[in-house]
Amino acid sequence: DAGVIQSPRHEVTEMGQEVTLRCKPISGHDYLFWYRQTMMRGLELLIYFNNNVPIDDSGMPEDRFSAKMPNASFSTLKIQPSEPRDSAVYFCASSFPYLSYNEQFFGPGTRLTVL
Amino acid sequence: GQQVMQIPQYQHVQEGEDFTTYCNSSTTLSNIQWYKQRPGGHPVFLIQLVKSGEVKKQKRLTFQFGEAKKNSSLHITATQTTDVGTYFCAGYPTSGTYKYIFGTGTRLKVLA
Repeated sequence: DAGVIQSPRHEVTEMGQEVTLRCKPISGHDYLFWYRQTMMRGLELLIYFNNNVPIDDSGMPEDRFSAKMPNASFSTLKIQPSEPRDSAVYFCASSFPYLSYNEQFFGPGTRLTVL
Repeated sequence: GQQVMQIPQYQHVQEGEDFTTYCNSSTTLSNIQWYKQRPGGHPVFLIQLVKSGEVKKQKRLTFQFGEAKKNSSLHITATQTTDVGTYFCAGYPTSGTYKYIFGTGTRLKVLA
């Protein structure tokens, strides 16, 4: 398996623009997580899905952020409108917590810069 | 809310010296995981501890889970330049939704 795939790897946009980040989890994994990482706040869980259903979105900063998982192999995180303070690395991770270790497999991340 | 703190925040060591990072949770944990993130990379799973007082070793790395299941440590013996990165603990609460709480991380720099 190729692991968790994220696109784009880098995104530079201007304030006010819509940004869409994409994630393909590892096949067969039924949990998907979106994280944001900044120097100031560390690694924050934004939202997670189980079997394509959002379970906990308490980490989503505000209404400008939305996430969807239309099927088991694809998820998006959308920011509209984007602001400079949204600049961060966004990670997607997936897991299959029924084995001995329910480790999370992280994707390479999307580095977002909002000017 | 639930918090997982790590100390120190940064650590610079000479190659060959030992290194320890400590993880403390405000609440009791069901289990704890450790991840390593290389500079510019993504977190990679290292290990999971489940039992009270558990100790596990991976070559030069020793992981411990506290008796009260509220703290954990990672010790690296004789650091090497390949150990450079940020080490995160991630605690899974005893109750609530399936959500690991990541610690604040310890950034390790190894000087050759």
